[in-house]
Amino acid sequence: DIQMTQSPSSLSASVGDRVTITCRASQGIRDDLTWYQQKPGKAPKCLIYAATNLQGGVPSRFSGSGSGTEFTLTISSLQPEDFATYYCLQHNTYPQLTFGGGTKVEIK
Amino acid sequence: EEQLVESGGGLVQPGRSLTLSCAASGFTFENFAMHWVRQAPGKGLEWVSSLSYNSGRKGYADSVKGRFTISRDNAKKTVYLQMNSLRPEDTAFYYCVKALGFNYGQWGQGTLVAVSS
Repeated sequence: DIQMTQSPSSLSASVGDRVTITCRASQGIRDDLTWYQQKPGKAPKCLIYAATNLQGGVPSRFSGSGSGTEFTLTISSLQPEDFATYYCLQHNTYPQLTFGGGTKVEIK
Repeated sequence: EEQLVESGGGLVQPGRSLTLSCAASGFTFENFAMHWVRQAPGKGLEWVSSLSYNSGRKGYADSVKGRFTISRDNAKKTVYLQMNSLRPEDTAFYYCVKALGFNYGQWGQGTLVAVSS
């Protein structure tokens, strides 16, 4: 089974900061990676699909990069509404899928 | 409007069974793979199970393999998760998801399963 190692597990940042979250796959998954944002009490929301594609309606300050085993979610200028938990998901090995452990972005 | 509505959650004793249902509307259900994802209170997301559009391919997380069974009825536009031999560690919100991982995915609102004596 593919393991997804997400880091950091949490971070504190200020409004306007640039934030980077990383997911590493235990084996190559091409670009079959999705980034989700989840706020308390809500279902997750897709931000980035196929590693680098911005979901419709998602602000352009979010971006994704990577392929193979290393992936990055970047928020170029953190906004108050971005404080949330972020997860990566690999679906290369469908019907076996794997989430990363999550990154909680908190206010500094 | 696409909608997924889960039902069947509740409080159950360890070792007992429970079946979750997820009713879909607003899209061509029989064209899409369906998935179950769970989240224990205060914890991260855990993929549980997937089922292809025609039930030909299915997958399970190691934590539920042999105990949970996913199925679907395309005529009823419903996907199910039969959960047997429930354990306290199965306590979580269970989400039904259409096309997990894709930009056209859709999540339900979740249903809470609590396993406790």
